[in-house]
Amino acid sequence: TQLLEQSPQFLSIQEGENLTVYCNSSSVFSSLQWYRQEPGEGPVLLVTVVTGGEVKKLKRLTFQFGDARKDSSLHITAAQPGDTGLYLCAGYSGTYKYIFGTGTRLKVLA
Amino acid sequence: EAGVAQSPRYKIIEKRQSVAFWCNPISGHATLYWYQQILGQGPKLLIQFQNNGVVDDSQLPKDRFSAERLKGVDSTLKIQPAKLEDSAVYLCASSLRQGVRGIENIQYFGAGTRLSVL
Repeated sequence: TQLLEQSPQFLSIQEGENLTVYCNSSSVFSSLQWYRQEPGEGPVLLVTVVTGGEVKKLKRLTFQFGDARKDSSLHITAAQPGDTGLYLCAGYSGTYKYIFGTGTRLKVLA
Repeated sequence: EAGVAQSPRYKIIEKRQSVAFWCNPISGHATLYWYQQILGQGPKLLIQFQNNGVVDDSQLPKDRFSAERLKGVDSTLKIQPAKLEDSAVYLCASSLRQGVRGIENIQYFGAGTRLSVL
């Protein structure tokens, strides 16, 4: 069974701080996605990484796919209250389905 | 472009009752997914359709859950009878098509149906 473990599970930080969220697995994925989910809404795709070692930037968010395509990280620089939400990674196994991670709940205090 | 529509948004039922959820995917999207999301956790895939055929239902509790996608468009997910542990948000997502690497099939999610079983 493929599992994606995210850490930390919860994170509460002050506005302006930096943070990193990790997504780890023992399985290799064809690609990996990061989503943000706000209360009462469905997850919204932030980025897809495909190549081992790939780094993508989305404004203050930096995403990295591990060289072996088993893990990924999301780094947020100078966090803002608008970044608050549940961050989810999802690995695509190539069997046409996504495996979602356990989630990281982020709260950014003003 | 209209997004994925789900109804109802909320449902409260007693255990052992039946409940049904409805999903209308984005027009033209061939792949439809139903996920179960327990509060604070990541979504778990219940069933995946490609047009009106089932691709994966390995995690669907088939003794109580059923789903159909007639004519390859709308879909319904039914629980009969419901148990307390079925309390969760049920998310529907759709994508244009399946792909080998995942970049071809970006998932778009509906807002979900929050089910409370008392």
